[in-house]
Amino acid sequence: DQQVKQNSPSLSVQEGRISILNCDYTNSMFDYFLWYKKYPAEGPTFLISISSIKDKNEDGRFTVFLNKSAKHLSLHIVPSQPGDSAVYFCAASSTGTASKLTFGTGTRLQVTL
Amino acid sequence: DVKVTQSSRYLVKRTGEKVFLECVQDMDHENMFWYRQDPGLGLRLIYFSYDVKMKEKGDIPEGYSVSREKKERFSLILESASTNQTSMYLCASSLLSGGRQARSFGSGTRLTVV
Repeated sequence: DQQVKQNSPSLSVQEGRISILNCDYTNSMFDYFLWYKKYPAEGPTFLISISSIKDKNEDGRFTVFLNKSAKHLSLHIVPSQPGDSAVYFCAASSTGTASKLTFGTGTRLQVTL
Repeated sequence: DVKVTQSSRYLVKRTGEKVFLECVQDMDHENMFWYRQDPGLGLRLIYFSYDVKMKEKGDIPEGYSVSREKKERFSLILESASTNQTSMYLCASSLLSGGRQARSFGSGTRLTVV
């Protein structure tokens, strides 16, 4: 039972345009969400997070939006750069579940010139 | 920056072998984790540890065990490797417990069981 879903396995975007990566979740107890970025042959690195008390969090070119009623979050990258080409994982957690993070299946982003 | 080091980048083992995957972190983090990454399944938690000699099962602990004798080192053990354990294994650590703590990951060990 996949509680965190990234329905697009891949996405291709031109350099300079906006990349939008989507993530849906089913567990209404999730109250904190994170995005990780993973290059080939490297471990995932933390990118940005958002608490359920917010609907938006911004860090430079990266913005995460949370729609709690739809159980949906998205990561916007503006403008997209070739170095953003990687696999992006969203992850979710709920208060009181110790150290449990539930990851999505990942979306491979390709930023083309 | 936290450095999480996994001892092997690639491993090939035979079915039935006992396999040890080693992970060391250098930032005195309390919590350490083992995940496996498979296509279409994302990262799944195998085991985690919030203190020396303490361990908790994750989502898919079957066929695995762990050891944490020292704070900086967390070992994943495959008691009798099977082909369905062929995967990318990722170790991670975090300073505090709780899902709000971003993990620092190692580069991964790609294990092939033949």
